[in-house]
Amino acid sequence: DGGITQSPKYLFRKEGQNVTLSCEQNLNHDAMYWYRQDPGQGLRLIYYSQIVNDFQKGDIAEGYSVSREKKESFPLTVTSAQKNPTAFYLCASSRSRDSPLHFGNGTRLTVT
Amino acid sequence: DQQVKQNSPSLSVQEGRISILNCDYTNSMFDYFLWYKKYPAEGPTFLISISSIKDKNEDGRFTVFLNKSAKHLSLHIVPSQPGDSAVYFCAAIPPGGAQKLVFGQGTRLTINP
Repeated sequence: DGGITQSPKYLFRKEGQNVTLSCEQNLNHDAMYWYRQDPGQGLRLIYYSQIVNDFQKGDIAEGYSVSREKKESFPLTVTSAQKNPTAFYLCASSRSRDSPLHFGNGTRLTVT
Repeated sequence: DQQVKQNSPSLSVQEGRISILNCDYTNSMFDYFLWYKKYPAEGPTFLISISSIKDKNEDGRFTVFLNKSAKHLSLHIVPSQPGDSAVYFCAAIPPGGAQKLVFGQGTRLTINP
């Protein structure tokens, strides 16, 4: 079955540590996205990538970094510079820029 | 600046009745609208969409209505079933494409037996 796999489901880190969230898709989609969801808020775009080796900042990119070395993979690093990293992170992909997004099941990151 | 707003954080409906979820937007340049459904600890799943050139799109129990003059869209679910209990997000795509997808805050729908 095609889909998006995010791992791990739950992640705990100490403040000041960088942490990388994994996102893999086997849908052969060109575009991939990272969103953050906080309670009472809609999904906010962190980074997106339309094609391998290219990515763009979203609305809340500060404190985050990404890479897109392979079509299937779009890992997100939450750096120590991110002031409020505790959140639910969602990775998504789409066939084209006007196609609906397919989401992974998310990673809940808790930083203490 | 919240461009897409879902003003009802929660909605409770009796099983078998109609559920109506509402969404308002401010940007008249949005040209495509989508509804996503989300269960706890899962990613959102695409439900139904509508282009700005239409005013209605239907898929089984789900119908989305678009009122461009009022900048308002709604999702109707009839009849409502217990499995419909979830958080529903409306989203809008501006001319720039899906990378600019704007989400509302979500409405938690609870279907009561």
